[in-house]
Amino acid sequence: GENVEQHPSTLSVQEGDSAVIKCTYSDSASNYFPWYKQELGKGPQLIIDIRSNVGEKKDQRIAVTLNKTAKHFSLHITETQPEDSAVYFCAASRGTNAGKSTFGDGTTLTVKP
Amino acid sequence: NAGVTQTPKFRVLKTGQSMTLLCAQDMNHEYMYWYRQDPGMGLRLIHYSVGEGTTAKGEVPDGYNVSRLKKQNFLLGLESAAPSQTSVYFCASSLTGRTEAFFGQGTRLTVV
Repeated sequence: GENVEQHPSTLSVQEGDSAVIKCTYSDSASNYFPWYKQELGKGPQLIIDIRSNVGEKKDQRIAVTLNKTAKHFSLHITETQPEDSAVYFCAASRGTNAGKSTFGDGTTLTVKP
Repeated sequence: NAGVTQTPKFRVLKTGQSMTLLCAQDMNHEYMYWYRQDPGMGLRLIHYSVGEGTTAKGEVPDGYNVSRLKKQNFLLGLESAAPSQTSVYFCASSLTGRTEAFFGQGTRLTVV
């Protein structure tokens, strides 16, 4: 089955700096890669996703890049703000059932004001 | 606009007891999912459903059963709770298999 590894497990940055979280996956048939943000006491919320026919996707301060050959994808957050502090999860799936994703173990991001 | 609602939010069970977690969505979504989240780990899929009357096993189905008798509800049952089932359980739904999954607030279950 699919295996997703996520690094780092914790990340602390100063407000205004950039944050990068990286994930690798093992199943070359995976073609859908969502990123979720989970705030304390809440369920995960999709913040951005990318499909394998695209190498990069941006949404305001958030961007995701995908390298299919190397089987890794990354989340980039620019101009970080304290409200970006949360746990971020990457995931991978075969796309025909996006909820049937394999998740990484999460990255706890802390943005210091 | 409630989205995905899970009931209850907290529960403590004794080993061997049974219980049912309810997930309700008001978005007319076809797909529904149950996950568990353990400390320091990502979500793991327990069971899922691709439509009313259907269920399928996920990554960690043992010890759990599910039912989808109505499109808007997805029930997760524990017949004989074990301490290893202590976890936070999340329900999610999506319109199709290729669209965004929306998550509930979670149910924190402790089995003593």
